Amino acid sequence: KAGVTQTPRYLIKTRGQQVTLSCSPISGHRSVSWYQQTPGQGLQFLFEYFSETQRNKGNFPGRFSGRQFSNSRSEMNVSTLELGDSALYLCASSYAIGIYEQYFGPGTRLTVT
Amino acid sequence: AQTVTQSQPEMSVQEAETVTLSCTYDTSESDYYLFWYKQPPSRQMILVIRQEAYKQQNATENRFSVNFQKAAKSFSLKISDSQLGDAAMYFCAYRSASGNQFYFGTGTSLTVIP
Repeated sequence: KAGVTQTPRYLIKTRGQQVTLSCSPISGHRSVSWYQQTPGQGLQFLFEYFSETQRNKGNFPGRFSGRQFSNSRSEMNVSTLELGDSALYLCASSYAIGIYEQYFGPGTRLTVT
Repeated sequence: AQTVTQSQPEMSVQEAETVTLSCTYDTSESDYYLFWYKQPPSRQMILVIRQEAYKQQNATENRFSVNFQKAAKSFSLKISDSQLGDAAMYFCAYRSASGNQFYFGTGTSLTVIP
């Protein structure tokens, strides 16, 4: 069974631009979560989607948004990029909300200049 | 909000030896799940082991085992017979049974010395 895939793997943007990252979960998984990972802050939860609905949300500004499609694929969007948005963005999928462990993708490395 | 604390930013172990990574958490809930994840230098995070809070028996997966102390809210990971491939960042994570978000610790960087 294929793992979680994320595209693109690397991205360079300039301040003020917007970016969209994509995540395809493991087949059969209906929950997708997004995390921002930085050396200083560690792994910070952005949001979680299940059945096309946002179920949980972390403490990030409204510039960070996401959505999930009917095939469980998910996208996250960051508008008006800031230098501090430079990070590794990880997507994780699980079978459903609740007790199920998450399986992570390789991440998208975003650099904002 | 729940918090997960990993007090050891870095650890090292000799190859073939045993190492224990510490994790404590804070919660008022009684039903929850705990996980250890491993993130090798290639960055793909993988699940190492999970523990259900309602189970008294400590989880074991081959060379990896946990010491789960519910009253103390402690969840340590023991790696036996350490191998070079065990070198990675290890994250402890918590999730309540009600399905709220995962909470991750700040990680412990493990170095395995040949």
